[in-house]
Order: sequence, then structure tokens, then C-alpha cells
Amino acid sequence: QVQLVESGGGVVQPGTSLRLSCAASGFKFFSYGMHWVRQAPGKGLEWVAVIWYDGSQSYHSDSVRGRFSISRDDSKKELYLDMNSVSVEDTAVYYCVREGLDGGGFKDWGQGTQVTVSS
Amino acid sequence: SYELTQPPSVSVSPGQTASITCSGDVLTKQFGYWYQQKPGQAPVLIIYKDRERPSGIPERFSGSSSGTTVTLTLSGVQADDEGDYYCQTADSSGSSVFGGGTKLTVL
Repeated sequence: QVQLVESGGGVVQPGTSLRLSCAASGFKFFSYGMHWVRQAPGKGLEWVAVIWYDGSQSYHSDSVRGRFSISRDDSKKELYLDMNSVSVEDTAVYYCVREGLDGGGFKDWGQGTQVTVSS
Repeated sequence: SYELTQPPSVSVSPGQTASITCSGDVLTKQFGYWYQQKPGQAPVLIIYKDRERPSGIPERFSGSSSGTTVTLTLSGVQADDEGDYYCQTADSSGSSVFGGGTKLTVL
């Protein structure tokens, strides 16, 4: 079955960097677009970034563009989110999400990893 | 960028029908998707491409689309349907946006 397991979260200080990872299993990773979605405490879902199935294109939300970068390593079946210059507003649970084929939506979600930015 | 607007809350009695709307100009060009989220859990996809239901999702959940609005309808609401519901859409690049979420309360 599909499994997405995030790691790399923790407590960090404002202005520092962090890398989140997502280990994928149970499906052909190289065939799927992948996303990061976050949720601040008590708030709604916020889309963060997407990377195409072949890694040729990636897009980021306005709130993280220029600070965060999504990438993937198909040989390791891993998805990454490099987070730079973090601020308290980046405090959230970060979910790794598999996109369904042919417009199938955000089909599978990991359990999330907590990132807390605090001085 | 574009926006999707949902009502903050909807209340319904058990066995009745609840409807949750999601509005945005982008929905005239792109499909709408719906997710259910319960406290402490990851969201679950319940409707894709406006009205399609993934396997394992009960028929009580249905979706529709008209103009700038997509609607999620829950028929025969059960206590277990309580939670937060989010609409979402994406453009051809995969760049996406979520609605603000609707808290469904079963009275």
C-alpha cells in the first residue's frame, strides 16, 4: 500500500534553515507529481509546492517562493523541502502528498511532520 | 493568484442533508476537489474532478459544479461526518489553492 513518511521537523530559530524529507513506498514514485501542504496550528490547509513527476518543473506558493525549494530523488524514492530563512509564520505541520494521475487530486497524504519556529 | 471561499461553519441534524459550497472564479476553468479532515488526522480526498468519488468513499458524499461554485453534499449525515471540509483546485502547472475550510457540526 502507499506510504508517505515525513521526517526532519523540529524546533528551529527564526532565520535558520531546515530540510524536510518524505520517504515514499508502495507505488512507482517516478510516475507521480508530489506536493507539500502545510497547516498552521488551528488554521486551514495551505498548499506550499509541487514538483512534476519527472522533476522538470516545480512551483511554489507566493508565501514561500524564494525561501523554500522542493526537490526529489527518484533513486531513493524521496521528496524534499528545503526551508531557508524560516519565520514564525512557517510554524505548521507539513504534509507530503501524492497527486493522483489524470487530475486525481491529492490522493495520498503522509502523517505530517511538525515544524516550530521559535526564538 | 486566486481564491476559494467557503462558509466557516455548517450545522446539520443526523439523517439530514448538508451542503457545503466553495466559490471562486477559477472554478469555471478548473476542477474542484474536496477533502475531509478530522482532528489530529491527515486530510482524506472525498471528491475529485467536481463529482467523482474515490473508491472507499460512501455514496452519501457527492459533488456538483455550477459556474463559479462547486458544492459538496452529504446525504443522511452521521455523527462520524463531523469534521473540517476543504475545497481545492489547481491549474495546469499543479499550483494549487485551498478554501478556508468549513467546520461541519452534527447537532
